[in-house]
Amino acid sequence: GAGVSQSPSNKVTEKGKDVELRCDPISGHTALYWYRQSLGQGLEFLIYFQGNSAPDKSGLPSDRFSAERTGGSVSTLTIQRTQQEDSAVYLCASSWSGGLGAGELFFGEGSRLTVL
Amino acid sequence: GNSVTQMEGPVTLSEEAFLTINCTYTATGYPSLFWYVQYPGEGLQLLLKATKADDKGSNKGFEATYRKETTSFHLEKGSVQVSDSAVYFCALSEKDTGGFKTIFGAGTRLFVKA
Repeated sequence: GAGVSQSPSNKVTEKGKDVELRCDPISGHTALYWYRQSLGQGLEFLIYFQGNSAPDKSGLPSDRFSAERTGGSVSTLTIQRTQQEDSAVYLCASSWSGGLGAGELFFGEGSRLTVL
Repeated sequence: GNSVTQMEGPVTLSEEAFLTINCTYTATGYPSLFWYVQYPGEGLQLLLKATKADDKGSNKGFEATYRKETTSFHLEKGSVQVSDSAVYFCALSEKDTGGFKTIFGAGTRLFVKA
């Protein structure tokens, strides 16, 4: 597609349920990031995938959070046993790994998660 | 490790005022530096960037100069407009294993009054 696509755009769930958020990056981008943005807050880094390298999971806030990236393209962020403090907008971004555009991130519109 | 520090907001200015949003960084190597902007109800988008020392990035009347000696990348605009009201994020990107890892500052919210 032309840009980074995220789904669902909005998700309302009950405390304790599991949720999956999907990100489809720009074709050809080898790097993929997940960030979390709580209301009125900055960007909290969650996880970073780069090509076939092991992902950098240093930002995941707890073991309830996990992410995978299949075939170097689509990524799924899974939150198990959701808590109210997980309510936020989850942003996905992708980027090139080389050349003039290296490091520039292209963001999706985000998935807004509300945990009741 | 690498980090980005930017001035806390919110910043409130009148239309046509001069804007400066400070950003400093720490990095082990030679990162590229970016400003991203998030307008109300919209996603983040790149505003400008600079890839090496003394480079000046510019876009939409905004400018920022990569200052290696002061490890800074301050955002400036000579005359702000109401439409510039947004959250501004400073970021750095440095080569990691096989690619570039980007980290962000906390963001600075700008309000411009008519």
